[in-house]
This record gives sequence, structure tokens and C-alpha cells, in this order.
Amino acid sequence: KAGVTQTPRYLIKTRGQQVTLSCSPISGHRSVSWYQQTPGQGLQFLFEYFSETQRNKGNFPGRFSGRQFSNSRSEMNVSTLELGDSALYLCASSLEQRGGYTFGSGTRLTVV
Amino acid sequence: QQQVKQSPQSLIVQKGGISIINCAYENTAFDYFPWYQQFPGKGPALLIAIRPDVSEKKEGRFTISFNKSAKQFSLHIMDSQPGDSATYFCAASDGGNEKLTFGTGTRLTIIP
Repeated sequence: KAGVTQTPRYLIKTRGQQVTLSCSPISGHRSVSWYQQTPGQGLQFLFEYFSETQRNKGNFPGRFSGRQFSNSRSEMNVSTLELGDSALYLCASSLEQRGGYTFGSGTRLTVV
Repeated sequence: QQQVKQSPQSLIVQKGGISIINCAYENTAFDYFPWYQQFPGKGPALLIAIRPDVSEKKEGRFTISFNKSAKQFSLHIMDSQPGDSATYFCAASDGGNEKLTFGTGTRLTIIP
């Protein structure tokens, strides 16, 4: 059974640009969440989608957005990149509500 | 009130010893407490989780102890092995949403 797949694995962008990250959840999983991981702030919740609807959102500025498609695949977008957006962005999927999450290996975003 | 405090920040244990990592929370609405293990270059992987209706849960060499009145929970790794060397995160969520609030992480090193 394939795990959570995130693409690309690594990304370098310039300040002011925008970026789109992709996540394919485990087959059958309908809940997809995104987290940002940095050495300073640790793991922070970005948002969660279920059946194409955003159910929860963390305390991030509006530059961070996401969506989920009918096949449960999800994308997150960050516009007007700032140096502080450099982080490992993790996607996680879950079969059912309150179930254990399975994380992908993440996308390492570097903003220069 | 959403914080989960984790200690120690780093831990060195001899092979065969017991590794103990502690977490404390403030939000009494939290009712799901998972532990994740993360290796370099990988996303966090769910190790074991507990709900507050039990005081202890054991899976192989990993045990969660939960003290509801003290709002504390801990991870015990028995017979620690070099392959257990990783960063461990405690987390918590409440029944209202899927958002996980993570601790700051403990870097565990098992020495021969």
C-alpha cells in the first residue's frame, strides 16, 4: 500500500514568488492535513481538508492556502514568499476522523 | 492554553536502558494523545497513542503512561536500541477537530 506522497521533495524559490506543493494521500483516506516544520517553531498546523472542504485552519496568514480535489489529492499554495517561509512542509492523511495520521516525507522549501 | 510542553529537549541513553520522555498539557479538552517518531529526512511516524480513559498503554517496547489529574503523559522505551535514535514528538488534539498540537520534540540518542 503506497504511503503519502509529496511532490516535489525539494524546492528553492525567490522571495516574492509563489509556490504550490502537492500531496497524494493513502488510497481511501479522505482527511488531509498540512503542517509546517521549522527548527524554531516546531510542527505547526496549517489546515485540514475532508471531502474537498476545509474543516480547520491554523494561525497562518492568508498567503497560505490550500485545496482538496475529489480524489482526495491536496495542494497548498504560498504566495508572496518570505524568507521565514523556509521550512519542511508535511502532509498527513487519515482514514477516519480522530484516527492516526500518516505523514509524508515532506517538501523542503527554501526561500532565498 | 493550546500548548503541549515536552521535556527533555535531548536525551542520551545507553543501549538496553529505559528512555523516558515527558509531556504536559493545559487544555482539558484534549482527549487524544499520540506519540510520533521522526528520522532525519522523513516525516513523523505514529508510534503509539492513548485516550484519557486509560492510564497506560503498551505496544511492544513502547509504553504511554497517562495522568489525567496532573495533565501529564509520558513515553517509555524499554530495552532502548541504537535504531531508536530519532526525534520524538508528543501531540494532543481535542474531540472538536483533527488539529494536532505538537510538543517541541526530544532528540534521543542511544549509545552502545
